[in-house]
Amino acid sequence: QAGLTQPPSVSKDLRQTATLTCTGNSNNVGDQGAAWLQQHQGHPPKLLSYRSNNRPSGISERLSASRSGNTASLTITGLQPEDEGDYYCSAWDSSLSVWVFGGGTKLTVL
Amino acid sequence: QVQLVESGGGVVQPGRSLRLSCATSGFTFSSYPMHWVRQAPGKGLEWLASISNGGSDKFYADSVKGRFTISGDVSKSTLLLQMNSVRAEDTALYYCAKESDAFDVWGQGTMVTVSS
Repeated sequence: QAGLTQPPSVSKDLRQTATLTCTGNSNNVGDQGAAWLQQHQGHPPKLLSYRSNNRPSGISERLSASRSGNTASLTITGLQPEDEGDYYCSAWDSSLSVWVFGGGTKLTVL
Repeated sequence: QVQLVESGGGVVQPGRSLRLSCATSGFTFSSYPMHWVRQAPGKGLEWLASISNGGSDKFYADSVKGRFTISGDVSKSTLLLQMNSVRAEDTALYYCAKESDAFDVWGQGTMVTVSS
């Protein structure tokens, strides 16, 4: 079961904007969109958005998610030190009836 | 508030069995799909299995299909993962997660180490 594709790392300066990408296919990201999760070292993942553009309560408005075709994106504006961490995308694959994760992107705020 | 607490991890020999539990509270267990997700040391997240709300449907990743079984004890609001014929590559931190549109609540995880 092939996973979703994410760049391994992204580095941006403090207060700049980072855009993380997640590429799947028409059966997963292209079908029902993707969810985004953030994980800090030693902690469980935390849901940031679901179905590509819905943000749970309590999640910063600096985060926004979108989707274009089979690629989902997470944009973080005004980067802060606490934005550093690992970011994972996930989607339900309606063809395989499985959930798939991306390999994760390590975001570094310089 | 919503809480998930995993237990049952430990060191297990290859080929043996282990059962993980995820005690839940703060929500109606039978109303939400539930999942097991693992993370090998230094690696990314891997979805393993899910059970639908009500427990009628179960789904598995190829990597564990036929070896692991997900189930739910509604009377105890507890999610279970029966792990049989474990392998070295099953060594990981095992999380349970609640699904409300996506994986909205996670436990802290329980570590499983497969070693002789």
